[in-house]
Amino acid sequence: QSVLTQPPSASGTPGQRVTISCSGSGFNIGNNAVNWYQQLPGTAPKLFIYANNQRPSGVPDRFSASKSGTSASLAINGLQSEDEADYYCASWDDSLNGWVFGGGTKLTVL
Amino acid sequence: EIQLVESGGGLVEPGGSLRLSCVGSAFTFRKYCMNWVRQAPGKGLEWMATINQDGSEKYYLDSVKGRWSISRDNGKNSLYLQMNTLRAEDTAVYYCARGGISTPWAPIDDWGQGTLVTVSS
Repeated sequence: QSVLTQPPSASGTPGQRVTISCSGSGFNIGNNAVNWYQQLPGTAPKLFIYANNQRPSGVPDRFSASKSGTSASLAINGLQSEDEADYYCASWDDSLNGWVFGGGTKLTVL
Repeated sequence: EIQLVESGGGLVEPGGSLRLSCVGSAFTFRKYCMNWVRQAPGKGLEWMATINQDGSEKYYLDSVKGRWSISRDNGKNSLYLQMNTLRAEDTAVYYCARGGISTPWAPIDDWGQGTLVTVSS
């Protein structure tokens, strides 16, 4: 059972907007930044969002994220087939003194 | 291009030990915190340990405290994970991951390709 809670799956058709939620507590999301990772099948995770809402270079601006209180969300506008992947949220936990991840959300493009 | 290359994975019996290594290149290794994160087959990501730049601060997942040890050799641009008393549930792909240049809680921003550890008799 993961410390951060994500829905196990999400889906949408090409061009749609999809959001993925991530819920934590005051020890992690409530007090630290949230990062999001994309993991394509058979590959290592890739940083997609850092510091709650910042995109590393190379990440399309179709991807955005926000944080409010002890929750965060990742939004994908104009869904494309290549967005099909697993997405994980992560935050440092001050109580556990380490990184905590969400269980991951499998995004399917219908 | 930043590279993190893990090695040392393999098949080990329950109760056995294994030492994972990771060599970093194309960045100033000694300036970064480093991490180990694992992923069991078909499961999500699970953080295992973090070490700061000079190795003076180490953080561990509770379930591996006292069993495992993270270390680094900045002269060799290398990160290590000594895993003792391995259990079947430790079977996973283990990723070496680069952390922050400032604090252990700065984002993990680069990952190796992973090395598979299988614990089975």
